[in-house]
Amino acid sequence: GENVEQHPSTLSVQEGDSAVIKCTYSDSASNYFPWYKQELGKGPQLIIDIRSNVGEKKDQRIAVTLNKTAKHFSLHITETQPEDSAVYFCAAVKAAGNKLTFGGGTRVLVKP
Amino acid sequence: GAVVSQHPSRVICKSGTSVKIECRSLDFQATTMFWYRQFPKQSLMLMATSNEGSKATYEQGVEKDKFLINHASLTLSTLTVTSAHPEDSSFYICSARDPLGWSETQYFGPGTRLLVL
Repeated sequence: GENVEQHPSTLSVQEGDSAVIKCTYSDSASNYFPWYKQELGKGPQLIIDIRSNVGEKKDQRIAVTLNKTAKHFSLHITETQPEDSAVYFCAAVKAAGNKLTFGGGTRVLVKP
Repeated sequence: GAVVSQHPSRVICKSGTSVKIECRSLDFQATTMFWYRQFPKQSLMLMATSNEGSKATYEQGVEKDKFLINHASLTLSTLTVTSAHPEDSSFYICSARDPLGWSETQYFGPGTRLLVL
């Protein structure tokens, strides 16, 4: 089955700096890659996603890149703010199975 | 994005009792819902896939007789933890797939924290 590795597990950045989280996946059949933000005690919230026919997608301060050949994708957060502090999860989905396989999560702390 | 609700948000029960958790899709009909369990500082672990009008599909290692899932309508799925024990204490989260959008996109509920004493 699919296996998703996520790095780093924790990330501390200064407010205003950029944060980058990287994920790799094992199944070349995976074609949909969502990113979720989870705040303490809450459910995950979809923040951005990308499909395998696209190499990059941007939404304001958040961007995601995908390298299908290398089977890795990354989340980029620019101009970080304290409210960006949360746990971020990457995931991969095969259209046929529709089950999300999550990475281990990255705890991001933005220091004011 | 689509809205998914869960009830209750938090429940404390005695060991040996059963607890029912509801998951509702508020502004769309969900033929498929998913149930996850999350232990502190860990990732989400898929427990089962709930299909409207048919039996749920359980992941390996998840006891179907202990975690009863019912998906009786296109907007409601329930998870019942039967004869709960302290080791069942966890954060239970459901998600639903919006069939009108991209079929792979899942929207998550706010979660239910279960504490078994």
